[in-house]
Parts: sequence; structure tokens; C-alpha cells
Amino acid sequence: GESVGLHLPTLSVQEGDNSIINCAYSNSASDYFIWYKQESGKGPQFIIDIRSNMDKRQGQRVTVLLNKTVKHLSLQIAATQPGDSAVYFCAENYNNDMRFGAGTRLTVKP
Amino acid sequence: NAGVTQTPKFQVLKTGQSMTLQCAQDMNHEYMSWYRQDPGMGLRLIHYSVGAGITDQGEVPNGYNVSRSTTEDFPLRLLSAAPSQTSVYFCASSSGQANEQFFGPGTRLTVL
Repeated sequence: GESVGLHLPTLSVQEGDNSIINCAYSNSASDYFIWYKQESGKGPQFIIDIRSNMDKRQGQRVTVLLNKTVKHLSLQIAATQPGDSAVYFCAENYNNDMRFGAGTRLTVKP
Repeated sequence: NAGVTQTPKFQVLKTGQSMTLQCAQDMNHEYMSWYRQDPGMGLRLIHYSVGAGITDQGEVPNGYNVSRSTTEDFPLRLLSAAPSQTSVYFCASSSGQANEQFFGPGTRLTVL
């Protein structure tokens, strides 16, 4: 069946560097995508979303890029901070069916 | 606003026992859902509700029941717990199925 996946299970970056977390999705008809952050022992927290009629959306220190041609989604975090250490996962929605990826663990080194 | 609240935070059951995981939200959201999260896997939808009195099955509904008598509450019942139901359970709510979901803090369930 269709699935949402991530290219890398772990990512380690230096504090202050930019982070890029990638996500590949399988359903070309998906029309809504969300990035979530999950800290240890907590529930997922919304970071940013994007609809399929856009290819880029910016928030505070975060940018989501959507490439529908290759079915690829990325999350860019600028000036990564220790508080950004968490598991990040993407979700795709098609026809009110939201599917989640397994996640990438981001570790920020001081 | 408290957002989405879940109780209990932790629970240990023996095989065959039943229990109810509680979920409540104070954002007047119509859509509520239950997910389970297992190591190395994404969140999987168990059951969901698009409004009071309406529930439907998600991806992994077997062994679970839900009801939605009010907009605020969406309890998840395990009828006869099995070790395969050991997981972390998250409740979520949103203003619509294709909108941002707000998650509760989770319930860590262990079935022995």
C-alpha cells in the first residue's frame, strides 16, 4: 500500500547549523502535508504544514519544501538549537486519510 | 485551554483485562482520533470520529472500541487486552480531518 517514509532515521548537527530533514511520500494524489516534532515522552507537536498547490512555506526558523514531481517533502530548520532535538515526522493526507512516517531523530550537538 | 488531555499516563494490564483510555478536548473540535505508536513505525489510526454520535474505523481497529457521546470526550476501550496492544496511545483532535491535529501527551500501555 501507499506509505510515507523518511530517508534517514537519525541526523546529528552542530548547534547553529541548519538542519534538513527529508520525507518521501508515495501517493501522488496527497494534497496536504504536515511536519510534526515529538520530544521524548510527549505527544507530537505541529510545526508547519503545506498544501499541494504550494511548493514552499516558511514559518519561524522553519521552511517546508514540497516537490510534487519527485514526491518529496523536506523540513529545513535554520540555526538549529539544542531545544530542536527531537523526532520529526511528516504526514500526508489524501481523501481525509492521514498517514504518518516513522520519523527522524535529530540530535543537536553543543 | 487545557487542549487535549489523556488519562492515565501509564497503565499495566494482564492479558484478558479490559480498560478504558480517556481523552478529552476543550477546543470544541469536531474531529477526534486515536492512534497507536510503536517503535520504528509511524502513528497508526485506530478509530476516529467526525462528530458526536459518529465513529469509524481506522487502519488498525481490531480489539478496540470507541464512542463519542459528547463533542469533548472520546474514550478508547480495550475489550480483552493482548500483549500485541502494548504501545503508546495518542488521542488527537482537529477542526477537520484534513487540518492540523492537536495531540494529547499519550498513554503508555503495557500488557503482560
